[in-house]
Formats: sequence, C-alpha cells, structure tokens
Amino acid sequence: AQSVSQHNHHVILSEAASLELGCNYSYGGTVNLFWYVQYPGQHLQLLLKYFSGDPLVKGIKGFEAEFIKSKFSFNLRKPSVQWSDTAEYFCAVNHGGATNKLIFGTGTLLAVQP
Amino acid sequence: DVKVTQSSRYLVKRTGEKVFLECVQDMDHENMFWYRQDPGLGLRLIYFSYDVKMKEKGDIPEGYSVSREKKERFSLILESASTNQTSMYLCASGPPGTGGLYEQYFGPGTRLTVT
Repeated sequence: AQSVSQHNHHVILSEAASLELGCNYSYGGTVNLFWYVQYPGQHLQLLLKYFSGDPLVKGIKGFEAEFIKSKFSFNLRKPSVQWSDTAEYFCAVNHGGATNKLIFGTGTLLAVQP
Repeated sequence: DVKVTQSSRYLVKRTGEKVFLECVQDMDHENMFWYRQDPGLGLRLIYFSYDVKMKEKGDIPEGYSVSREKKERFSLILESASTNQTSMYLCASGPPGTGGLYEQYFGPGTRLTVT
C-alpha cells in the first residue's frame, strides 16, 4: 500500500534557524504532492503543492519544497523560521487518477523558540 | 472564501451511543471527506463522497458510516460509539479534478470523547 513517511516527529528550533522537514513516499508512479500546515487552534490549510514542471515549488510565508523523483522525496524548507511558524506540518500525496484522495504522513510538530 | 463548518467543536458521548457529526460546505464542491486525526498517526481517511448519495470507504471505515443526501452536507455516523473512537474528526471538501489538482479545504474539527 502507498505510504508517506515523515521521519521528524518533533522539531525544536530557535528563531532565524533554517528548517528542513523530510517527506518520503512509496508510490512509484505519477504523484501530486502537498504540504499542509495546522497552526495552533486553526484549520488545516495548504502551504504548497507540486503537480508538474519545476521541481522547486514556492508556497506561502516563505516556504518552499523540492521534489526529487529519484529519492521519492518532497522535503519542506525555510531559510529562516519565525516564532509564528510554530505549527504541525503534514506532507500528503495523491497518486494521480480521477480522485482527490490524499494519503497523509504522520505529521511533524515544529516548535520555534523566540 | 471557502467555508467548511462542522456542527460541534467538542463532543462528549457515552459508549454505545449513536453519534452524528455534521459537515457543511458552501462552495458547491462535489468531493467531501471525513478524516480522523490522532497524535503520531496523522490524518487517516474514513470515508469520502464524490457526489450526492455516493460514498467510498477510505482506509479505516470500520465502525463508521456516512450519509450525503445534499451536496453541501456530509454526515459521519458512529453507530455505537466506543472508547477507541475518541479522536479529532476533520471534514474536508474539494472540487472535482483529475489527479488531485485541487487542494482540499478543511473544517475546524470536532474533538469527540467517548467515555
């Protein structure tokens, strides 16, 4: 079965530190990739997405992610985090076809210390 | 702005009770989804619906059923609640589109506690 792995379960950083959150998926065919974020007490919302084209995608709030097909990875990055980036981050994969069904990773809880 | 609303933010029910969780979206989306979110397990899909009266099982449908009588409303039903169904339940909606071209829009969640 298809799966999505987020190996970092809990990350603690100081403000201005760089961030990289890992995401690996198991499906070998065409994939569409997403990062969602859930700020404390708020709805889950889309951070960025990749469908095709440039493997480096930029999202909201200075986040970016790089799709590396050979590594089945879609890691999330931000050069300098802020306290307001404290949230839970979820990677999700859709393996094409006529469905919006997503498979989510287990999430990474990021705490940014001021 | 897309709005997905869920009937309750917090719910406490007793073991064996029948529980209804309601979700309403205002964007005329064809697709609607129910997930449960548990620490360390992420989001797991319970059921989804791609049209009125249509439903498909997700990854963990056991102990749940759904109803979609109107396009904007998608209900999750726990026929006989059990303590292992204590969780955060998230509803989402999205437009049709091949390959998941469009994002899903999530509601605020219902935290259900079964005692």
